[in-house]
Amino acid sequence: DTAVSQTPKYLVTQMGNDKSIKCEQNLGHDTMYWYKQDSKKFLKIMFSYNNKELIINETVPNRFSPKSPDKAHLNLHINSLELGDSAVYFCASSREARGNEQFFGPGTRLTVL
Amino acid sequence: SQKIEQNSEALNIQEGKTATLTCNYTNYSPAYLQWYRQDPGRGPVFLLLIRENEKEKRKERLKVTFDTTLKQSLFHITASQPADSATYLCALRYSSASKIIFGSGTRLSIRP
Repeated sequence: DTAVSQTPKYLVTQMGNDKSIKCEQNLGHDTMYWYKQDSKKFLKIMFSYNNKELIINETVPNRFSPKSPDKAHLNLHINSLELGDSAVYFCASSREARGNEQFFGPGTRLTVL
Repeated sequence: SQKIEQNSEALNIQEGKTATLTCNYTNYSPAYLQWYRQDPGRGPVFLLLIRENEKEKRKERLKVTFDTTLKQSLFHITASQPADSATYLCALRYSSASKIIFGSGTRLSIRP
């Protein structure tokens, strides 16, 4: 009965590889997000989708490409991974784009070697 | 650009005391200010939201205040317990159409 789930929980990969992180929410929410939390614990938004439509696209390298096949899923694909991409990536959802309460997934710890 | 500062990286207090965490921001006041709790290896969990026109909000042992003159929010946990030990994140939203901006958090430790 997990509300927001992400896979995988840990991802260790070599520089230059391409990887994907998947996210699913079973809350019936319209809006989903990807956040990056760096080693200093700052949580920064990367993307947001509302009903499968991109509504927030922060200054993120175009190696990062989100995809929302339906409003319950938001995946993150990363091309040509770099050392600086190492971080914890959190998926979140909210009832609507104007919703304030965000529900976070457990996070995916990405380590690029 | 807007900055959020949680001025204590870590706070240690004795069980039973009131923990007070501070969140300061620059420039103009947000429409909404939120507090989240994050445990190690987990995602943040929403605790409380306070609006620009509200001075104080309570939920059980938690209390949040919002002072737009001082550009500050205080987060209080009364009768603190070791189980309250976690990192607490302050987050701002300037309008219902804008993104949420998070602070770096304060790591709270409650010792028995």
